[in-house]
Amino acid sequence: GESVGLHLPTLSVQEGDNSIINCAYSNSASDYFIWYKQESGKGPQFIIDIRSNMDKRQGQRVTVLLNKTVKHLSLQIAATQPGDSAVYFCAEKKNSWGKLQFGAGTQVVVTP
Amino acid sequence: KAGVTQTPRYLIKTRGQQVTLSCSPISGHRSVSWYQQTPGQGLQFLFEYFSETQRNKGNFPGRFSGRQFSNSRSEMNVSTLELGDSALYLCASSLWAPGREQYFGPGTRLTVT
Repeated sequence: GESVGLHLPTLSVQEGDNSIINCAYSNSASDYFIWYKQESGKGPQFIIDIRSNMDKRQGQRVTVLLNKTVKHLSLQIAATQPGDSAVYFCAEKKNSWGKLQFGAGTQVVVTP
Repeated sequence: KAGVTQTPRYLIKTRGQQVTLSCSPISGHRSVSWYQQTPGQGLQFLFEYFSETQRNKGNFPGRFSGRQFSNSRSEMNVSTLELGDSALYLCASSLWAPGREQYFGPGTRLTVT
């Protein structure tokens, strides 16, 4: 697989800094929000998800924040590392069995 | 456990031909979803199968079809290929409902000339 998206917005981050990737979602009825990471030559990889009845969830070095009022989702990566360089996608689902709708993606470039 | 495998990894076809792509999910996973990824449209949902039944379908023409076998392996078929079908086709599997904890394969790069 390959990471496609030649015209994606790009976030340039210095190694060791925190990254914040933003996503606006469209469906107020969505119940699940998920972040994926796609490295060059690979398929997307699940990072973390959050249900609509939560506003924050933490994982290992990552935090997802959900603001339903403005339909905004963000992914925070602490102490960004070179291995975090990838395209990050947010996705939403109406319910457990709903279709997964992906956002456009953000290219994260970690500089030394 | 072995990950999701997709075959072939690369494929070149000409307009008007048809193509079949194959996906083997992670052992024990019963749900398989297919996505098309292009620079212009991003990642778009094609369809999803669970226990050999299509549960959801995206907004693609009828030329795109799929099926799932009793061993959970899945195939997708595109008939009468068009230049715009050139894309990376990704398959993802999950234990039950798709999306959460969904594992993607490396994809099949299809080029239509």
